[in-house]
Amino acid sequence: KAGVTQTPRYLIKTRGQQVTLSCSPISGHRSVSWYQQTPGQGLQFLFEYFSETQRNKGNFPGRFSGRQFSNSRSEMNVSTLELGDSALYLCASSPVADTEAFFGQGTRLTVV
Amino acid sequence: QQPVQSPQAVILREGEDAVINCSSSKALYSVHWYRQKHGEAPVFLMILLKGGEQKGHEKISASFNEKKQQSSLYLTASQLSYSGTYFCGTEVYTNAGKSTFGDGTTLTVKP
Repeated sequence: KAGVTQTPRYLIKTRGQQVTLSCSPISGHRSVSWYQQTPGQGLQFLFEYFSETQRNKGNFPGRFSGRQFSNSRSEMNVSTLELGDSALYLCASSPVADTEAFFGQGTRLTVV
Repeated sequence: QQPVQSPQAVILREGEDAVINCSSSKALYSVHWYRQKHGEAPVFLMILLKGGEQKGHEKISASFNEKKQQSSLYLTASQLSYSGTYFCGTEVYTNAGKSTFGDGTTLTVKP
């Protein structure tokens, strides 16, 4: 069974640009959550999608958005990038909520 | 609100035991534990949904005291492979599905 796949693995962007990250969950998993991980702030929840609906959102500005498609694949978009957005962005999938969550390897975003 | 993990770091010798605590000021709906090794993605260890429930995974187990809004992760007879950073993630009743993570506990197991 293939694991959670995140693309791209590494990304370098310039301040002011926008970026889209992709997450393909494990087949059959309907819940996808996104997290930002930085050395200073730790692991922070961005949002959670279930069956194409955003059920929960963390405390991030509106520049951070996401969506989930009918095949459960999810994308995360960050507009008007800031230096502070440099981080490892992790995606996790679960069959349903409150069950075992599987993380992808993450996308390392560097904003210069 | 972010749960508080303690201790921040612990160093063990192989075969020793350790306990990592995770406390919240809010009524918890669930607690889940992860281990992350340097440069790798977090790996799910277990989730606890009911008060007082205890679960096990290899020689790692955890308890959840719903009344105290606290969970503890027990690592017995530690192995070198247990080294890493342990995170607890919590969900509160008013916002189930939104996970908030502690700052992590770095565990180092030495031969």
